[in-house]
Amino acid sequence: DGGITQSPKYLFRKEGQNVTLSCEQNLNHDAMYWYRQDPGQGLRLIYYSQIVNDFQKGDIAEGYSVSREKKESFPLTVTSAQKNPTAFYLCASLWEGDRDGQPQHFGDGTRLSIL
Amino acid sequence: QKEVEQDPGPLSVPEGAIVSLNCTYSNSAFQYFMWYRQYSRKGPELLMYTYSSGNKEDGRFTAQVDKSSKYISLFIRDSQPSDSATYLCAMSYMHRDDKIIFGKGTRLHILP
Repeated sequence: DGGITQSPKYLFRKEGQNVTLSCEQNLNHDAMYWYRQDPGQGLRLIYYSQIVNDFQKGDIAEGYSVSREKKESFPLTVTSAQKNPTAFYLCASLWEGDRDGQPQHFGDGTRLSIL
Repeated sequence: QKEVEQDPGPLSVPEGAIVSLNCTYSNSAFQYFMWYRQYSRKGPELLMYTYSSGNKEDGRFTAQVDKSSKYISLFIRDSQPSDSATYLCAMSYMHRDDKIIFGKGTRLHILP
């Protein structure tokens, strides 16, 4: 089945540590996105990438970094500079080529907590 | 004023009732309107995707957009316990936009 796979489902970070969240899609989608969801909050865009080797900052990029070396993969690194990283992180993708297609499809998220 | 306002709930209704979920927004430039359903510890799942004003129906779900009032609604008929979830409204300026603005979500409980 085609879809978006996020791993791990749960992740714990120690103070001062960088951690990387994985997002893989086999939908052949061009664009990929990372969102952060806090309790009682809407989704906030961290980074997005419309094409391999290119990405743009979203609304809350500080303390995060991404790479897009392959079309299928868009990992997110939460750096030690992100002082409040505890949240539910969601990855999404979009096929630019389908003009009648749906908007972004989402993975099932990674919950990051601080030890 | 926030761009998108959505009552967080929780909203509890008996099984079989009609559910009405709503969002208001401030920016008249929004053209595309979405409703997502999110179960606990899962990613959002698209329910409805509409353009401009009017109604769209899909099974038990009806989405309404009133651009003059900057108000969108999602109606669920014959509600089921499996409809218990958080419902997020969302909107964008362009078709399949990179920038989607989400509401905070309404938690819905359908009581058996």
